[in-house]
Amino acid sequence: SQQGEEDPQALSIQEGENATMNCSYKTSINNLQWYRQNSGRGLVHLILIRSNEREKHSGRLRVTLDTSKKSSSLLITASRAADTASYFCATDASGNNRLAFGKGNQVVVIP
Amino acid sequence: DVKVTQSSRYLVKRTGEKVFLECVQDMDHENMFWYRQDPGLGLRLIYFSYDVKMKEKGDIPEGYSVSREKKERFSLILESASTNQTSMYLCASSSGLLQGALDYGYTFGSGTRLTVV
Repeated sequence: SQQGEEDPQALSIQEGENATMNCSYKTSINNLQWYRQNSGRGLVHLILIRSNEREKHSGRLRVTLDTSKKSSSLLITASRAADTASYFCATDASGNNRLAFGKGNQVVVIP
Repeated sequence: DVKVTQSSRYLVKRTGEKVFLECVQDMDHENMFWYRQDPGLGLRLIYFSYDVKMKEKGDIPEGYSVSREKKERFSLILESASTNQTSMYLCASSSGLLQGALDYGYTFGSGTRLTVV
């Protein structure tokens, strides 16, 4: 069943700007992950944050997790045209051995 | 470079045909998954497997079956293809604990876009 819900669903920004996406979920989780999908391709794992972590960085990516609000955000700093893609959050619920994906968030970076 | 390979990028089949979608991973991963992706619906889990010869139903298993005879290969079978099975099919694999939390991300294949006419 789908659990992650990204907001906003579509985002258009200028190159060099920051892009922020949010994800909410309903049940308790072990970890939350973000994936990128370029048009017509498979998903690529970007970053994983565990339920006992509040913030994590990887290159130009910054992920935060607020388990009290059951929400996460993904920030892409200094965006590039190559960041144009769909971004999905996915949750691994406690006691559940599989990921539930959100519907995705389309980001367009205009050169 | 480790990867998940799906045998076809594009496939066109006729209604009623039996269709096999193949997925092979070279990472010695225990876990393998089949999803379908449709506009507005996101990714929906069809079947998954945590071990050879083991399979579990996901959220939308109707009309599908799977086979995992070897650790590296996970096949999705459409018993009698129908037009509502036209979709993008994504295979994924992961390492991780058999029970409990998955501590690692999934590695996805490039997808198979299936059209049933």
